[in-house]
Amino acid sequence: AQSVTQPDIHITVSEGASLELRCNYSYGATPYLFWYVQSPGQGLQLLLKYFSGDTLVQGIKGFEAEFKRSQSSFNLRKPSVHWSDAAEYFCAVGVGAVKTSYDKVIFGPGTSLSVIP
Amino acid sequence: DTAVSQTPKYLVTQMGNDKSIKCEQNLGHDTMYWYKQDSKKFLKIMFSYNNKELIINETVPNRFSPKSPDKAHLNLHINSLELGDSAVYFCASSRERYGNTIYFGEGSWLTVV
Repeated sequence: AQSVTQPDIHITVSEGASLELRCNYSYGATPYLFWYVQSPGQGLQLLLKYFSGDTLVQGIKGFEAEFKRSQSSFNLRKPSVHWSDAAEYFCAVGVGAVKTSYDKVIFGPGTSLSVIP
Repeated sequence: DTAVSQTPKYLVTQMGNDKSIKCEQNLGHDTMYWYKQDSKKFLKIMFSYNNKELIINETVPNRFSPKSPDKAHLNLHINSLELGDSAVYFCASSRERYGNTIYFGEGSWLTVV
């Protein structure tokens, strides 16, 4: 069955510290992977995505993620966290009946990030 | 202009009522979606439409009826509201059905009392 897990429900970091949010997926076909961010009371904004090619992808707001097929992981990183990064982060995988593409996105349970000034 | 817009943003209603949430996208996309985010922030797809045609229906109670009058609009009507329907409902769109980034609206917070 297709699924996305995010082992950390809640993470607290100090401003300026580095950040890594973990994501593991289970999907039998080519994974199309995403990270979205949801600020309090807001909708979801796409941070970055991986479809193919370079396994290290750069996103907006200084975020990057690395796809590791052997570990079925797509961890999100940022070298220096800002207070405005406090939000809910969702990892997601695109799935569908067509193995070479996807027509819907399945989300992980989310990781809540708190930033200490 | 907001790319995917939903109204209302907040809705408080009593059990048993019927309510609708409207969604419009001005991106020229062919595909639109409704997602539900429950109290634990878990997001799950409910429906997807492609060029006004229903293509995904994820075992949602038939009290929920989506309607797409044209490909820029996807409305969600909910009959006989129950306490468990309290959630945030997100509308989203993508350029085409397959392999395209999904863009989300800002959500509609529904509270059933």
